[in-house]
Amino acid sequence: EPEVTQTPSHQVTQMGQEVILRCVPISNHLYFYWYRQILGQKVEFLVSFYNNEISEKSEIFDDQFSVERPDGSNFTLKIRSTKLEDSAMYFCASSQATYGYTFGSGTRLTVV
Amino acid sequence: AQSVTQLDSQVPVFEEAPVELRCNYSSSVSVYLFWYVQYPNQGLQLLLKYLSGSTLVKGINGFEAEFNKSQTSFHLRKPSVHISDTAEYFCAVSESHRGGGGADGLTFGKGTHLIIQP
Repeated sequence: EPEVTQTPSHQVTQMGQEVILRCVPISNHLYFYWYRQILGQKVEFLVSFYNNEISEKSEIFDDQFSVERPDGSNFTLKIRSTKLEDSAMYFCASSQATYGYTFGSGTRLTVV
Repeated sequence: AQSVTQLDSQVPVFEEAPVELRCNYSSSVSVYLFWYVQYPNQGLQLLLKYLSGSTLVKGINGFEAEFNKSQTSFHLRKPSVHISDTAEYFCAVSESHRGGGGADGLTFGKGTHLIIQP
């Protein structure tokens, strides 16, 4: 069964550093998403991406966040200057137009 | 904007007993509804979804859910649980007014931790 692949599974970074989280969506999917889950809290929508541009973004997705599909297979989330409160599990997802969301296993980001 | 309420943060159930996990939503437009399961230290796995048609939806691992528009609910049920069902269960909603374009993000509930007792 096709999978969404996320790397790394766990990343530790110092406060103020830039971090890039990587995702390989399912190859024939058209829509790509990032979600985050702070420990013990609910999963929150960050951004959706279609046709090489952002379709929707939440209030959480401020100027320190950016997304990119650099080479037609990868989908990345960049956090420019990490804060302690950015520590969370970040999930990538992809879907076709019929809401067949598939989530990756997540990247646990720890900001110290 | 839509919202999802999962009233029970934790549900303990004995093995082989039935279980119902409650989910209520609010939205000013039609919605698509989903249940996801998260096993410890793993990602989100889709259990089932309601897009249209029959209000009773069957999913994987013996789970089913019923969409009730008048009560704005989408409760998840399983007639007999197994120890392996211990996990966090998330209800999620997406607005369908854009004709299924797929760009809408999912709004998740806070999750219900299902604890199976032997």
